[in-house]
Amino acid sequence: DAKTTQPTSMDCAEGRAANLPCNHSTISGNEYVYWYRQIHSQGPQYIIHGLKNNETNEMASLIITEDRKSSTLILPHATLRDTAVYYCIVRVGLGNTPLVFGKGTRLSVIA
Amino acid sequence: GAVVSQHPSWVICKSGTSVKIECRSLDFQATTMFWYRQFPKQSLMLMATSNEGSKATYEQGVEKDKFLINHASLTLSTLTVTSAHPEDSSFYICSARIAGGGIGTDTQYFGPGTRLTVL
Repeated sequence: DAKTTQPTSMDCAEGRAANLPCNHSTISGNEYVYWYRQIHSQGPQYIIHGLKNNETNEMASLIITEDRKSSTLILPHATLRDTAVYYCIVRVGLGNTPLVFGKGTRLSVIA
Repeated sequence: GAVVSQHPSWVICKSGTSVKIECRSLDFQATTMFWYRQFPKQSLMLMATSNEGSKATYEQGVEKDKFLINHASLTLSTLTVTSAHPEDSSFYICSARIAGGGIGTDTQYFGPGTRLTVL
């Protein structure tokens, strides 16, 4: 079972920042927060992951609250190509534990 | 880096036939690969975990005799759907795990998926 809660859908204007929230109130101390996205009819694409510190890469920023019970993925300047389903997943950082997908958030970037 | 390919990208077959789907890690070695399937408008569902050189571990409700998984090398895993039926029509996606340099660097990368249609 997915251990995260995300809004079903969100809209964002092109060029604006997209902020996607995720609740993971039962996260364990050794679990990381991973974000993936899936563009229609493609395989999921890795975006970013983190444990407790905020993380940033060329695609996005990940903000994790101090109590680690929630996080926000930020796409700083959304484009039409960012329209996708975004999945927030928690799992341990090592080992063969697979990613378990919930329903995710369908982000629509609007021109 | 971290590219995973699948072949074929789509396949149409007749009911009762078998279909093989290949998953390759192109620029890294993958001791562990995972197979998922996705029905329309649903999320990905894990089918099995495939470890190189050993038997796959199947999720509850997935028939191991119907979905044969072989992981014979560090860069190739195959999924064979045996005696396919229309209800097996789905989007099949593999992923490969990169074991990195420490805790937290363990990441799964996904292939582009294979759309199977059984007539």
